[in-house]
Amino acid sequence: EPEVTQTPSHQVTQMGQEVILRCVPISNHLYFYWYRQILGQKVEFLVSFYNNEISEKSEIFDDQFSVERPDGSNFTLKIRSTKLEDSAMYFCASSEFRGSGNTIYFGEGSWLTVV
Amino acid sequence: GESVGLHLPTLSVQEGDNSIINCAYSNSASDYFIWYKQESGKGPQFIIDIRSNMDKRQGQRVTVLLNKTVKHLSLQIAATQPGDSAVYFCAENMGNQGGKLIFGQGTELSVKP
Repeated sequence: EPEVTQTPSHQVTQMGQEVILRCVPISNHLYFYWYRQILGQKVEFLVSFYNNEISEKSEIFDDQFSVERPDGSNFTLKIRSTKLEDSAMYFCASSEFRGSGNTIYFGEGSWLTVV
Repeated sequence: GESVGLHLPTLSVQEGDNSIINCAYSNSASDYFIWYKQESGKGPQFIIDIRSNMDKRQGQRVTVLLNKTVKHLSLQIAATQPGDSAVYFCAENMGNQGGKLIFGQGTELSVKP
């Protein structure tokens, strides 16, 4: 079964450093997303991406964050000048279509620890 | 405002029994609902979904019920197995918001052998 893959599975970074989390969405999917889950809390939407541009973003997704599709298969989340509160599990997700009723599939997550 | 919440944070059931996990939502504009299962250290795994024009949908050992009158969603798992132990999240989506899912807090299901 096709799946969303993410790397790295776990990254530890110093506060103030930049990190890039990588994702390979399901191959025929056109819509890509990043979600975040702080330990013990619910999953939160960060951003959606389609046709090489951001479709929607939450208030969490400020100027510290950026997304990119550098080639035909990868989708990345860059976090600049990381803060302690950025420590969380970051999930990439993808869907074939947009809109209600289209199943969104999640990757296994990248666990980011900022120290 | 937008919110999806769960009535019970934990649920413990005996293996073989049926499980019912509940969820309340507040946004009447939501038209699509999904249940995800999350095992420790893993990503949310799609279980079943339902559109707002339906009251019930069945899958393999799982059934989702939607009561729009009281804005309530439930997930029923038949013959619960140890492998069902996980945190279950409901999520809602409004048609005009694409892939922006609003997740609930989650219910931890523990299956006792």
